Amino acid sequence: DIQMTQSPSSLSASVGDRVTISCRASQTINAYLNWYQQKPGKAPKLLIYVASSLQSGVPSRFSGSGSGTDFTLTISSLQPEDFATYYCQQNYNTPWTFGRGTKVEIK
Amino acid sequence: QVQLVESGGGLVKPGGSRRLSCAASGFSFSDYYMTWIRQAPGKGLEWLSYISSRGLSIYYADSVKGRFTISRDNAKNSLYLQMNSLRAEDTAMYYCARLLEAYGDYYAMDVWGQGTTVTVSS
Repeated sequence: DIQMTQSPSSLSASVGDRVTISCRASQTINAYLNWYQQKPGKAPKLLIYVASSLQSGVPSRFSGSGSGTDFTLTISSLQPEDFATYYCQQNYNTPWTFGRGTKVEIK
Repeated sequence: QVQLVESGGGLVKPGGSRRLSCAASGFSFSDYYMTWIRQAPGKGLEWLSYISSRGLSIYYADSVKGRFTISRDNAKNSLYLQMNSLRAEDTAMYYCARLLEAYGDYYAMDVWGQGTTVTVSS
């Protein structure tokens, strides 16, 4: 199985900060990488697919980059509604696997 | 609007069975691959299974293979997850999701239901 390792597991940031979250795959997954946002008590929401494609309706302050084994989710200017947990997920092969999540908290 | 609504969760005894349903509306259900994901209390997301648009391709995570069965009824716009031989570690929120297909074989979970809770306990 492909292991997805996210870092950091949590971070504290202020509104307006630039935030980056990393995700590393245990083997190459080309661009088969998605990012999701989950708020407490809610279902996850798709932010980025195919590593860098912004899902319709998602603010442009979110961006994704990377290919192969190393990927990054960037929030260019953190907004109050962005405090949540973020997950990466590979769909290169089954079983599809998620990272363990990065919780973004208010500083 | 595009919507998925899960049902069928509840309290089940270890070794018992449960069938989850996911009702789709607002889109052409038969055109989409569908998937189940779960989240144990306080834990991360775990992919369980996916099924192709006509049900011809099915894949499972090892943790549920042989115990869970995914199926769909395109005439009823519904997705199902039959869960047998349930264990305490199957206790979780269960989500169904629609799979967005991009560039031929990239898939992402673009529409999620609100989830249904399954608790396995004696």
